[in-house]
Amino acid sequence: GQSLEQPSEVTAVEGAIVQINCTYQTSGFYGLSWYQQHDGGAPTFLSYNGLDGLEETGRFSSFLSRSDSYGYLLLQELQMKDSASYFCAVRVNTNAGKSTFGDGTTLTVKP
Amino acid sequence: NAGVTQTPKFRILKIGQSMTLQCAQDMNHNYMYWYRQDPGMGLKLIYYSVGAGITDKGEVPNGYNVSRSTTEDFPLRLELAAPSQTSVYFCASSYAGTSGSYEQYFGPGTRLTVT
Repeated sequence: GQSLEQPSEVTAVEGAIVQINCTYQTSGFYGLSWYQQHDGGAPTFLSYNGLDGLEETGRFSSFLSRSDSYGYLLLQELQMKDSASYFCAVRVNTNAGKSTFGDGTTLTVKP
Repeated sequence: NAGVTQTPKFRILKIGQSMTLQCAQDMNHNYMYWYRQDPGMGLKLIYYSVGAGITDKGEVPNGYNVSRSTTEDFPLRLELAAPSQTSVYFCASSYAGTSGSYEQYFGPGTRLTVT
């Protein structure tokens, strides 16, 4: 099976940088995705790492180290609207895009 | 494009009742998924489909059934509802994409309470 660990809560101030870590144990690892979910809303896709290294999309970056079974999401220039839950999800080696999600990290951005 | 749509948005069921949660997507995605999300938790995969006529179980399939007669529609059936099925249900669809990300597009969710 698969298991993922991420911190349950993170707090930061507006304008700061925050890093949300994700470690995983899985067989047939194919890639790591990150999703954002605002309270009461649906998850939305943020980024995907299929290879080791850093992927950058605007203020958000995501990193993967396959040898360490570890990844992180980096959020820069935090804004109040970034307050949300962030989920890492591992994709196993199938052609169905099946993913196992972590339990999420609740980010609170304070003024 | 409407994306992924789900109906109903809210529902209260009595124990033992049955219902169907509807899901439709207009993006011509092959892959579709049903998840449940309990408070403060992540998404648990119930069933998924790789195309019309093909479905398979996820992590938590007991008490549910699905069908996929068309590319667009992927209904989830709850038989003999139990309080443990109280949750928020999300439907999602995806395609492989150029990076192989299988980025998932989620519907707005159905909030189900079983009492």
